[in-house]
Amino acid sequence: RKEVEQDPGPFNVPEGATVAFNCTYSNSASQSFFWYRQDCRKEPKLLMSVYSSGNEDGRFTAQLNRASQYISLLIRDSKLSDSATYLCVVQDNFNKFYFGSGTKLNVKP
Amino acid sequence: NAGVTQTPKFRILKIGQSMTLQCTQDMNHNYMYWYRQDPGMGLKLIYYSVGAGITDKGEVPNGYNVSRSTTEDFPLRLELAAPSQTSVYFCASSPIFPGQSYEQYFGPGTRLTVT
Repeated sequence: RKEVEQDPGPFNVPEGATVAFNCTYSNSASQSFFWYRQDCRKEPKLLMSVYSSGNEDGRFTAQLNRASQYISLLIRDSKLSDSATYLCVVQDNFNKFYFGSGTKLNVKP
Repeated sequence: NAGVTQTPKFRILKIGQSMTLQCTQDMNHNYMYWYRQDPGMGLKLIYYSVGAGITDKGEVPNGYNVSRSTTEDFPLRLELAAPSQTSVYFCASSPIFPGQSYEQYFGPGTRLTVT
């Protein structure tokens, strides 16, 4: 069983749309949770950390459900520049990070 | 700050050759990591280090070795390269302290092809 599972997509949406990505993780002892963004052939970069109470950063909202071991990312008012692969990342209690395979987003004009 | 730097950017190896991928960070981070990313896949942890002189295996350590003699440097050694090691290799660092977590900072990657 994979540590972190994501729908690979692609999600093809028009500019201005709202899109949601989901992620599940298998280790109930996981401590910290993140969404990273990866552009084609580039290194991953932190988009946002995910907190139990949910958190928002501009057009991006992240939610964590520890009971269901489920993480989500909502993007509102999609921009062309949001086109990328979004990686769900989980940190265990030994400070090792586990990456999902990523969800690809294509925002069309 | 240069952040995390990796060399080389690209390399083609023949089966059975060896090489060292270099990684250096100038942020004084205690944790460093090596990942590989195969096409269409997420990153898989090869080895990591919690500080100079301390390393440990990740999910996919076979065929690789690491050392951490300084805080700044964390080279990855491939012995007897195999086609299955064709991948993009990312080095990362993070300032982790007990009870806290911080983002990982990634280098630009090394694209390795073994033929």
